[in-house]
Amino acid sequence: GAGVSQSPSNKVTEKGKDVELRCDPISGHTALYWYRQSLGQGLEFLIYFQGNSAPDKSGLPSDRFSAERTGGSVSTLTIQRTQQEDSAVYLCASSRGTYNEQFFGPGTRLTVL
Amino acid sequence: AQSVTQLDSHVSVSEGTPVLLRCNYSSSYSPSLFWYVQHPNKGLQLLLKYTSAATLVKGINGFEAEFKKSETSFHLTKPSAHMSDAAEYFCVVSDGGTASKLTFGTGTRLQVTL
Repeated sequence: GAGVSQSPSNKVTEKGKDVELRCDPISGHTALYWYRQSLGQGLEFLIYFQGNSAPDKSGLPSDRFSAERTGGSVSTLTIQRTQQEDSAVYLCASSRGTYNEQFFGPGTRLTVL
Repeated sequence: AQSVTQLDSHVSVSEGTPVLLRCNYSSSYSPSLFWYVQHPNKGLQLLLKYTSAATLVKGINGFEAEFKKSETSFHLTKPSAHMSDAAEYFCVVSDGGTASKLTFGTGTRLQVTL
């Protein structure tokens, strides 16, 4: 079946602009995660959604970052007033439940000029 | 708090020789441990996982890892490297106490030469 998909695959933006990154999880997966992979920080957790529970936002680096998940499926990660240090690959993963294997999407490469 | 330390940022082996990628972990709980692989321009793929069952875990593509609590280690091995094994490998820990957000190591780049 289809895996986790993310769009766009690449995004180039100017400093100060807002961007939206989209994640389509595997159908039936109730848990959804966002991670960021950057040269300086490696791979780091950002936010986690499980069903209708309040998301775990403990990994978001600043209040410029937010995410929502509509209808328990598609998720959007929004970065407001982008900065150059936001340049990274943003990865989305989904799993059947909290303690199940996470399947990763191909990522969105964000470049902030 | 949980963390993992990958002791080598880069490992180079000849095709057909054994692979050893080292990982040490720290966790307040009984950890779940994983190895993920990332091929160039590809997504992360789970190689294997340890979740408190057998300490020797077998994964895909001939890889295996042994959980050693006394040494807080979870090293990844393969008896014979193949050119297609060249990739970035991540050791990952989840303590399971707070959902299952994963904490990644810094990665080990495996190079396989002829």
